[in-house]
Amino acid sequence: AQSVSQHNHHVILSEAASLELGCNYSYGGTVNLFWYVQYPGQHLQLLLKYFSGDPLVKGIKGFEAEFIKSKFSFNLRKPSVQWSDTAEYFCAVKAGGYQKVTFGTGTKLQVIP
Amino acid sequence: NAGVMQNPRHLVRRRGQEARLRCSPMKGHSHVYWYRQLPEEGLKFMVYLQKENIIDESGMPKERFSAEFPKEGPSILRIQQVVRGDSAAYFCASSPAIAGAADTQYFGPGTRLTVL
Repeated sequence: AQSVSQHNHHVILSEAASLELGCNYSYGGTVNLFWYVQYPGQHLQLLLKYFSGDPLVKGIKGFEAEFIKSKFSFNLRKPSVQWSDTAEYFCAVKAGGYQKVTFGTGTKLQVIP
Repeated sequence: NAGVMQNPRHLVRRRGQEARLRCSPMKGHSHVYWYRQLPEEGLKFMVYLQKENIIDESGMPKERFSAEFPKEGPSILRIQQVVRGDSAAYFCASSPAIAGAADTQYFGPGTRLTVL
C-alpha cells in the first residue's frame, strides 16, 4: 500500500521568502501525485498534479512541484510567498490504475506580513 | 458549474444517535469518495462509490458506518450509534467517469461532525 510523508508539520515564513515543502511517497509502481491546499475555513483545492511527462509541474498561484522518481519525492515550491498563502498544504498520491488517494498529514504554512 | 456540495456543513449529535452526511457530486461526475479528517491528521480514505455500487470500502470501519450512492439523489454516509471518536470533518470528493480525467478528485467543503 502506498504512503505519503510530509516532513514539515508547521512552517513560518516572512512575505517574499522562498518556500519548499517536502513530500515523499512509498510505492514502487506508476503514481499520480497531487498537492492540495486548504485555506482557513475552506475546502481542499487542487494546486497542481502530476500524471506523466515533464516532471516539473506548474500549478495555480505561482506554485510548482518537481517529481523526482529516484527519490520518490514531489516537493512543492514557490519563489516568493504572500500572506494570502497562509494555509494547510497536503501532498497526495494515487497508485496508477486505482482510485484511492492517500494523503500526507499536511503542512501548515503561516506567512508573516 | 456548481462544485461538490455537502450538507449539512456542521452536525451535532449526542452519543448513540445516527448521523447522515450528504454529498452531491459535481455535474457529470459519477464517482464519489468519502474521506475523514481527524484533528491534526491528514485525510483518510474511507470509501469509493459509483452509482449504485461500492467499489472500494477498505477504509470504512467495520461497524456502524455505511455508504450508498443511489441512482437518483446524493451519496449518503451514515454513521449509526455515534461515539465521541467519530467527531471529525468528513469530506466528499467526486471525479468524472472518463478514463484519465477520472484521476483528479474535486472536494466538497466538508461536514464537521461533533459528538457530544
